[in-house]
Amino acid sequence: DAKTTQPTSMDCAEGRAANLPCNHSTISGNEYVYWYRQIHSQGPQYIIHGLKNNETNEMASLIITEDRKSSTLILPHATLRDTAVYYCIVLNFGNEKLTFGTGTRLTIIP
Amino acid sequence: ETGVTQSPTHLIKTRGQQVTLRCSSQSGHNTVSWYQQALGQGPQFIFQYYREEENGRGNFPPRFSGLQFPNYSSELNVNALELDDSALYLCASSLLLAGVGINEQFFGPGTRLTVL
Repeated sequence: DAKTTQPTSMDCAEGRAANLPCNHSTISGNEYVYWYRQIHSQGPQYIIHGLKNNETNEMASLIITEDRKSSTLILPHATLRDTAVYYCIVLNFGNEKLTFGTGTRLTIIP
Repeated sequence: ETGVTQSPTHLIKTRGQQVTLRCSSQSGHNTVSWYQQALGQGPQFIFQYYREEENGRGNFPPRFSGLQFPNYSSELNVNALELDDSALYLCASSLLLAGVGINEQFFGPGTRLTVL
């Protein structure tokens, strides 16, 4: 599975859009980009995944660059409950072995 | 629909002892994966159970073993505990069809193991 690079930490004002970047320059053609987050003292929670098209669900949007070497997770209106560690993971669809890095610690500022 | 549950929530053991952690998968799921999360690190994949057999393993020694039962619940057993085994142990359930995952993994709250 391709390796990912994320900033260690980010801050975002409450109510603003939080944009979390992820680099995955060695991604292969059949690998998907997945995002999970982990709120303190809880298990990780799935957010969204995509292959090459932009994706949106009730939680977030995922923007993948045309060359697929990077992506951005967007939380459109961040709330205090979005404070968490966000993990970007690249793997083949159906591969159940999630390889977590250290993620980005996102802090929402009131 | 019930979520993923784990027991116990906290556990303290001494070095050399054995421990068993339990996980009940989400309704409708047939697969359980186990992860170890050391403080300040991301979760690390230990192994997965599908159809009551191990279906993939991470870089963990044989003293980490598991079981899956007909109701798809699972146990993680760790023998000869070491101080470095202190961590949050997470289980995640999902649905595999013909060995391929078709949905995301749903994680339980974890069991915090402390080895003294």
